[in-house]
Amino acid sequence: GAVVSQHPSWVICKSGTSVKIECRSLDFQATTMFWYRQFPKQSLMLMATSNEGSKATYEQGVEKDKFLINHASLTLSTLTVTSAHPEDSSFYICTVSGRAYNEQFFGPGTRLTVL
Amino acid sequence: AQSVTQLDSHVSVSEGTPVLLRCNYSSSYSPSLFWYVQHPNKGLQLLLKYTSAATLVKGINGFEAEFKKSETSFHLTKPSAHMSDAAEYFCVVKLSNFGNEKLTFGTGTRLTIIP
Repeated sequence: GAVVSQHPSWVICKSGTSVKIECRSLDFQATTMFWYRQFPKQSLMLMATSNEGSKATYEQGVEKDKFLINHASLTLSTLTVTSAHPEDSSFYICTVSGRAYNEQFFGPGTRLTVL
Repeated sequence: AQSVTQLDSHVSVSEGTPVLLRCNYSSSYSPSLFWYVQHPNKGLQLLLKYTSAATLVKGINGFEAEFKKSETSFHLTKPSAHMSDAAEYFCVVKLSNFGNEKLTFGTGTRLTIIP
């Protein structure tokens, strides 16, 4: 399977600041990338789907102006949490996939804590 | 629409005894089904997947699952539990065989192993 990295693996920031999380597909051309959010002791919820070179498609209830997603290349997608608040504290996970594949490959996740 | 129900939020078994984690799904089409495991503060690891081939699927670490269309179930089993199996387990459904379709996660089952 594909090797997926996320950076940073954890981040602590002050309320009101912006945080950028990177998702890299190291050995795989990811035509589609997904961003999930997992609150403590809860399941994963899809935030948005992004196809390379296109605007991301956001799930209902996810603010696109707050969670900016850029999928500029086949190996990199970024999620920027703008004006972060404590309620944005969560585990953010990206997955990558391609048209010929029947599974998504998971990144290790980024734990965001907003103080 | 697709959905997945994990019938038990918490399962406890003694070390060396069988494990059964239950999952039922709903899908308008032939789904792809997955089981993932998440150890504390870690990312998700794929245990096994069903993609319309053999209905009995063998995965890593001695786990297996059987796809039963008549019961819309995909229960996860292991003959003998090990202490290292203690973790959170997620049953996941995907609508099609293409990787760029979104995943729908169950709410998770926390497996505790009693020494």
